[in-house]
This record gives sequence, C-alpha cells and structure tokens, in this order.
Amino acid sequence: SAVISQKPSRDICQRGTSLTIQCQVDSQVTMMFWYRQQPGQSLTLIATANQGSEATYESGFVIDKFPISRPNLTFSTLTVSNMSPEDSSIYLCSVETTGMGGANVLTFGAGSRLTVL
Amino acid sequence: DQQVKQNSPSLSVQEGRISILNCDYTNSMFDYFLWYKKYPAEGPTFLISISSIKDKNEDGRFTVFLNKSAKHLSLHIVPSQPGDSAVYFCAASANAGGTSYGKLTFGQGTILTVHP
Repeated sequence: SAVISQKPSRDICQRGTSLTIQCQVDSQVTMMFWYRQQPGQSLTLIATANQGSEATYESGFVIDKFPISRPNLTFSTLTVSNMSPEDSSIYLCSVETTGMGGANVLTFGAGSRLTVL
Repeated sequence: DQQVKQNSPSLSVQEGRISILNCDYTNSMFDYFLWYKKYPAEGPTFLISISSIKDKNEDGRFTVFLNKSAKHLSLHIVPSQPGDSAVYFCAASANAGGTSYGKLTFGQGTILTVHP
C-alpha cells in the first residue's frame, strides 16, 4: 500500500492566520482526499484533489476557506484559511489503494493536528 | 444526520476474551463497509471490509458480521490482545467496488482497551 507523509504533524496557530498542510505520497495517484476529524467526532471528507483540475468540495466546505493545490501526481497541499478555534482538528490526507478482494480502500497519512487559539 | 453510528464510545475487555464492536447505519444505499483502527498520533489503518453480498468476512482474529435487514454490523476480535487497544472506526460507502472515489462515511469511533 502507499506511504503517505504529512507536514506539519502538529501546530498551534493564532486566530485569523492561515496554515498550509503538505501531503506527499510515495507513488503516483490520480486522486488525493482530504479529511477532517474534529475533537470527538467522526472523519469527514473535505474535498477531492485531482491533478490538473480544480478540487471538488463536499457540502459545507468551500474553496475560500480550504484552498487545495495538486501540482503533480504525488503531492497536494491543503490550506486552512483565516482560522478560528472551530478549525481545531486533525486534518488527514488519504489515497485509494487496493484492499481485500480487490476492492479499494483508503490509506491515510498520520494527520496534522491543528490547535487554534 | 449521522448516517453511521457507533453508540459505544468505549469498550474494556480482558486479554484473551472476545471484543465486539458495533456499528449501525441508516442509509440503505450503503453496500460496502470497512473497519479502521487508529493508534494515537497515527492515521487510521484499514483492518477489514465486507460487501453487502456477504454476511461474514474473516481475517485471522478479526471477523466482521453484516446484518443488512437490521442495518447493523459488528467487528469481533478473538482473542483480544493488549496491542489491539486503539480507536476503531466503522465506515461505509455506496459502492460495492470500494470506497466510491474516496468518499467514506465514518462513525464516531469506539475506544477499545484490552487489559492484560
């Protein structure tokens, strides 16, 4: 399965600032996915990043707040803009890999834990 | 609306005994289900999955059971080991071929603690 590296692993940020999270995969992939896990909550898909096209955002998430870049087939960034304490979450990058019986599963990076003061 | 629910926030079992983690879903379009395990400071790792055409799937100590009529699935770990202590997430997708282009709906997770 793919190996995914995320940076930073954690950060403490001030309200109103922006932070960019980087995701590097050890193989070329068509789609990369960004998830968020708020404290005590489930994982929620933010957006899908395709190389060479605009990211596709899920309901409740907008490009102005979470701009995404996908410059090549192994790298993506997610920016959390104009942060507020409600943005304190773990942000996870993921890609599809082949699991049991040939079906696709998601492989995740270790996540980036952001705390907004 | 929480389409995938794990109603037990935590579960504590003795080493060697069975751990049973439960998951309920409401969306009848879901036809592929996965369990993930998450250790602190790590991302979730895939554990086992099941398609809706089956009612049971087994992989070593891990077995997933699916009851479509009840919209319920469970993960059995036998025997439980201290290294199994982690957060377990149930997830579902509406694509029997896999993750439906990366879109999985997750439950809130259950913290499993296995005592030596």
